[in-house]
Amino acid sequence: AQSVTQPDIHITVSEGASLELRCNYSYGATPYLFWYVQSPGQGLQLLLKYFSGDTLVQGIKGFEAEFKRSQSSFNLRKPSVHWSDAAEYFCAVAPRSGTYKYIFGTGTRLKVLA
Amino acid sequence: EAGVAQSPRYKIIEKRQSVAFWCNPISGHATLYWYQQILGQGPKLLIQFQNNGVVDDSQLPKDRFSAERLKGVDSTLKIQPAKLEDSAVYLCASSLVAGVYTDTQYFGPGTRLTVL
Repeated sequence: AQSVTQPDIHITVSEGASLELRCNYSYGATPYLFWYVQSPGQGLQLLLKYFSGDTLVQGIKGFEAEFKRSQSSFNLRKPSVHWSDAAEYFCAVAPRSGTYKYIFGTGTRLKVLA
Repeated sequence: EAGVAQSPRYKIIEKRQSVAFWCNPISGHATLYWYQQILGQGPKLLIQFQNNGVVDDSQLPKDRFSAERLKGVDSTLKIQPAKLEDSAVYLCASSLVAGVYTDTQYFGPGTRLTVL
């Protein structure tokens, strides 16, 4: 069955520290891959997406993600976290054909310590 | 550019009551989506419209949920009657071009429903 796993429910980092949020997917073929961020009381905002080409993808707000086909992973990274990055982060996949339907992971809630 | 608008932002109802949510997508966006986000889970697609036609409603509980998108612009999602397990945030999203995988979905702030 198609699925997206975000193994970390909560992550706490200090401001200025580096960050990596994990995402693994189970799919018949390499899907399209996305990371979204959801701040309290706000809708989801797209951080970045991978369709093809360079496996290191740059996004907004200083985030990047690396697609690793061999590990079926699409981990999100940021070299230096800011207090405003505290939010919930969702990894999502969508098939390259058929019904255009996102499957979201369960999310990782990021807490940033001052 | 105005974003996706949703109302109300919060709603509390008793079980077996009815409730309706409204969504106004970004102007010119052909595709509109309704998602259900239960606490601790990622959003789950309920229904997808392309203009005023339904593209996918395979995960919509049709015995109690209904949705429409008249004139291909704004949309309403209704639950009748509500159950306790319908407590969730209902998200609306829109995208510019229908059926294009590379198109970005823009999300509204959501409506938080509590069923008592």
